[in-house]
Amino acid sequence: SAVISQKPSRDICQRGTSLTIQCQVDSQVTMMFWYRQQPGQSLTLIATANQGSEATYESGFVIDKFPISRPNLTFSTLTVSNMSPEDSSIYLCSVLGGRREETPLYYGYTFGSGTRLTVV
Amino acid sequence: SQQGEEDPQALSIQEGENATMNCSYKTSINNLQWYRQNSGRGLVHLILIRSNEREKHSGRLRVTLDTSKKSSSLLITASRAADTASYFCATDADFAGGTSYGKLTFGQGTILTVHP
Repeated sequence: SAVISQKPSRDICQRGTSLTIQCQVDSQVTMMFWYRQQPGQSLTLIATANQGSEATYESGFVIDKFPISRPNLTFSTLTVSNMSPEDSSIYLCSVLGGRREETPLYYGYTFGSGTRLTVV
Repeated sequence: SQQGEEDPQALSIQEGENATMNCSYKTSINNLQWYRQNSGRGLVHLILIRSNEREKHSGRLRVTLDTSKKSSSLLITASRAADTASYFCATDADFAGGTSYGKLTFGQGTILTVHP
């Protein structure tokens, strides 16, 4: 299955600043997914990033706040902009666990190790 | 929106005992998956069960799925201290054309503590 390298693993940021999180995958993947996990909560999908097109955002998430880049089939970034303490969360990227041609029916999804963000 | 509800929210057992976690969901699904998360790190995929399957095994894991009740259970047998983690169910919604859009919807999770 795919292996994801996610950076940074954690950061403490001042309010009003921005942080860019990177995910590098060891194989080409069509879609990459970005999730947020607020303290003590479950995961919520932020957006889906396809190479060569604009990311698709879920309800409650907007591009101005969470701009996403997807320059190629192995890399994506998520930026958390103009941060406030409410943005303190774990952010995770995810890809299909199998090869690009395969559906997730048999492989599930592979997740990055997460970025623990604290905004002060 | 969160689709799954899991119970219990927290489970504390002794090493060697079995742990059972339950998950309910609301909409039609293509498959249901279980993940483990250690100490707020990344998620590890444990097992996937398709909507046309009723039971699946993988090592010490046993998963059941009842689509009529929209529920699933995860059983970990002979638990170990290393099984201490949060466990999440996630549903992959119905899709067309054989391509999943990856919109996993996660349950609230069960925090499992296994005491040595």
